[in-house]
Amino acid sequence: EVQLSESGGGLVQPGGSLRLSCAASGFTFSSYGMSWVRQAPGKGLEWVSGISGSGGSSGSTYYGESVKGRFTISRDNSKNTLYLQMNSLRAEDTAVYYCAKERGSIRGGMDVWGQGTTVTV
Amino acid sequence: EIVLTQSPGTLSLSPGERVTLSCRASQSVSSSYLAWYQQKPGQAPRLLLYGASSRATGIPDRFTGSGSGTDFTLTISRLEPEDFAVYYCQHYGSSPRTFGPGTKVDIK
Repeated sequence: EVQLSESGGGLVQPGGSLRLSCAASGFTFSSYGMSWVRQAPGKGLEWVSGISGSGGSSGSTYYGESVKGRFTISRDNSKNTLYLQMNSLRAEDTAVYYCAKERGSIRGGMDVWGQGTTVTV
Repeated sequence: EIVLTQSPGTLSLSPGERVTLSCRASQSVSSSYLAWYQQKPGQAPRLLLYGASSRATGIPDRFTGSGSGTDFTLTISRLEPEDFAVYYCQHYGSSPRTFGPGTKVDIK
């Protein structure tokens, strides 16, 4: 079964840091692009960041404007794990953070989602 | 940055009705890199359509997508009780891959 499971959320003070993890199973993790999407309480979805898989400029990273320069996405294909390092956190970063698998090596629509992890700043 | 606008914001409908949701982009979406997602309260989003009109695995054929350039549409031919949810469009042709604000479809 294809699964994603996020961890690492919690309560942090403004200006602090947090690292989210997303463990993947049931598919060839290295081959696919991966993304982080967040949802503030009562609000819509916001794409945060993406990283390409092998075959698609492997490891290329992409960011939303509101997190550029503060957040860093990375992946460890040997551990089937996606990360999001979040620095200089602000109150407006409070949200549920989802990791998601892209259909392709870079993008293609996000066809598998985790259950989300909550970050409160 | 491509800005997506969805209309209407909320729709109140009855089961069995046909619904058409609109997603308009501030500039052309390359290669129809446009997806639609469904989200129910307390759940992660679910991919419905990609490439503007291709159904994701397991999505029933009452969900149909169309459009190109800057205007896209999601049509649900006949609303089932499980279809009452929020629907988001997202472009993924360039970065940042923005979402629209969503359309809530609730029960009349």
